Amino acid sequence: ETGVTQTPRHLVMGMTNKKSLKCEQHLGHNAMYWYKQSAKKPLELMFVYNFKEQTENNSVPSRFSPECPNSSHLFLHLHTLQPEDSALYLCASSQDLAGGTGELFFGEGSRLTVL
Amino acid sequence: AQSVSQHNHHVILSEAASLELGCNYSYGGTVNLFWYVQYPGQHLQLLLKYFSGDPLVKGIKGFEAEFIKSKFSFNLRKPSVQWSDTAEYFCAVTPGGYQKVTFGTGTKLQVIP
Repeated sequence: ETGVTQTPRHLVMGMTNKKSLKCEQHLGHNAMYWYKQSAKKPLELMFVYNFKEQTENNSVPSRFSPECPNSSHLFLHLHTLQPEDSALYLCASSQDLAGGTGELFFGEGSRLTVL
Repeated sequence: AQSVSQHNHHVILSEAASLELGCNYSYGGTVNLFWYVQYPGQHLQLLLKYFSGDPLVKGIKGFEAEFIKSKFSFNLRKPSVQWSDTAEYFCAVTPGGYQKVTFGTGTKLQVIP
């Protein structure tokens, strides 16, 4: 049990579908992140939220739209994706954005397949 | 911008063999360094971290890492691996005081019984 829960664990969608990934953290953390994990590539930071305000958008295409209604919940809305967007999407949280323990707490990920 | 290099993509060892996984980073200022581990089917979790002080840090499950500032390295070591150490290991770096974490590509370790 990691304290960070992601749903769904697996998602298959067509290029014209609209779907959303959900992340919830039960750790009382203030910062939340979306990462993309693809084979043989470093984890790619996508978005950072601190106290539910977006502080970083790492040049992510607009077909990925994040939403952070509060410090415990983070969504990634998906629309008109491409097959190359197929990957494992990881949500993470940390106590604070700056300083602190530096430890990220990860969810188990949502495996996305775009057909 | 900082970057992290892990030169070994796939390592296969027999049980009881010694392990050393390389990690080099590029960043000129103060850094915080991490090793994360991802066991098959599980989430990424912290193995150990270096912020300051003793450059030899010890983590969970008998792992340790040494920060060598002059070499920009933070190699992970374990004297004797077990089958249960089979996992993917990620080195990560963040500038001191800010948590934009940059990860390496990961090293898959397979331990043969």
